[in-house]
Amino acid sequence: DSGVTQTPKHLITATGQRVTLRCSPRSGDLSVYWYQQSLDQGLQFLIQYYNGEERAKGNILERFSAQQFPDLHSELNLSSLELGDSALYFCASSVDSFPYEQYFGPGTRLTVT
Amino acid sequence: AQSVTQPDIHITVSEGASLELRCNYSYGATPYLFWYVQSPGQGLQLLLKYFSGDTLVQGIKGFEAEFKRSQSSFNLRKPSVHWSDAAEYFCAVVMMNYGGSQGNLIFGKGTKLSVKP
Repeated sequence: DSGVTQTPKHLITATGQRVTLRCSPRSGDLSVYWYQQSLDQGLQFLIQYYNGEERAKGNILERFSAQQFPDLHSELNLSSLELGDSALYFCASSVDSFPYEQYFGPGTRLTVT
Repeated sequence: AQSVTQPDIHITVSEGASLELRCNYSYGATPYLFWYVQSPGQGLQLLLKYFSGDTLVQGIKGFEAEFKRSQSSFNLRKPSVHWSDAAEYFCAVVMMNYGGSQGNLIFGKGTKLSVKP
């Protein structure tokens, strides 16, 4: 158990819908990272938040957004969902803004039908 | 741009045999390198990391990796594989941002390891 929690574990929704994925980092970690894992793209970095502020952006679509709250949990919002958004979404956390050591959550499997 | 290549998509080894998983990176400066393991239905677990110093690093579960700058490689090894090692293994490098003050992980495509009894 990494100490990073993600909810829900599974999510099935229809095209065009909007969903919110939630992540709680390890106690004491200030950075939260979001990754998308799909068969064709592999593991891709989406976005990083550090202590409530956006710090880095990767291959995140404009339909996707994230935020980190004062209690340091984070939410990833995916809107206008398409079939191609079906993937495993991982959250990871680290102590500071540099990913010397990231701890990954178990992931949320999103299926868009 | 930084990139990571894992040339082997799938490897099968017999239990008790030795293992080497290959990883090559493309990066201009000294890289920060990682190996992660993902068991079916699980998140990623850090096996080991290299930042500087001794080029042979030890990790958890009996794994080790050797950084070879001349070959831009960071291969993962284990002398004797156990059935429980069957999983997918990912090599990663940190991509620096903001002049090196921070970074995010760039992953290879992964190598799936199967273990024969």
